Amino acid sequence: GAVVSQHPSWVICKSGTSVKIECRSLDFQATTMFWYRQFPKQSLMLMATSNEGSKATYEQGVEKDKFLINHASLTLSTLTVTSAHPEDSSFYICSARVLGAWGLRDLYGYTFGSGTRLTVV
Amino acid sequence: GDSVTQMEGPVTLSEEACLTINCTYTATGYPSLFWYVQYPGEGLQLLLKATKADDKGSNKGFEATYRKETTSFHLEKGSVQVSDSAVYFCALSDLDFNKFYFGSGTKLNVKP
Repeated sequence: GAVVSQHPSWVICKSGTSVKIECRSLDFQATTMFWYRQFPKQSLMLMATSNEGSKATYEQGVEKDKFLINHASLTLSTLTVTSAHPEDSSFYICSARVLGAWGLRDLYGYTFGSGTRLTVV
Repeated sequence: GDSVTQMEGPVTLSEEACLTINCTYTATGYPSLFWYVQYPGEGLQLLLKATKADDKGSNKGFEATYRKETTSFHLEKGSVQVSDSAVYFCALSDLDFNKFYFGSGTKLNVKP
């Protein structure tokens, strides 16, 4: 249980175009989704936190107009990279907070998508 | 701020060899510590965790002990298998699990 499906797994796009990445919770309702980015040989860095039905909260240094996050339903969150440039090439991964018995400290667990490798040429 | 540093990979081992992946952390409070594993084409999965000093997390033959004195949480396994080939991430979170701080990941290759 508690599976997050993320797609596409990889995408190549031209500079200046927009790319949408989707994360769907398949068997649970994800009230909170986290979006991470990882540059080569660096850590996964939290970009933003989204709560269903409200605006996302962005980490310092992340351009909210460039990385549009929509969490319009309890099962779907999307990240759109607008006007992508080569420096946006990275590995993007989503995570959902799961309420459940298997969660950490008996409260929450986190389940991750499989990630999206974005290459902007 | 909080951060996690783990050894760079890739690490290549023969089957049945011993594994240690080093992880050290910097935190202002009393974080919880985690190891996540990512198998090819899959999402990150929680491998094990420890929520306080001297706790030992274990799962699938892997172990890690929360060492506050050395601020470390090294991952160990006595005998690796080919099926253990994956990327391993060390992470910490604050008390409220609102944020995770990840290491850069260590790729493990186990050869038959």
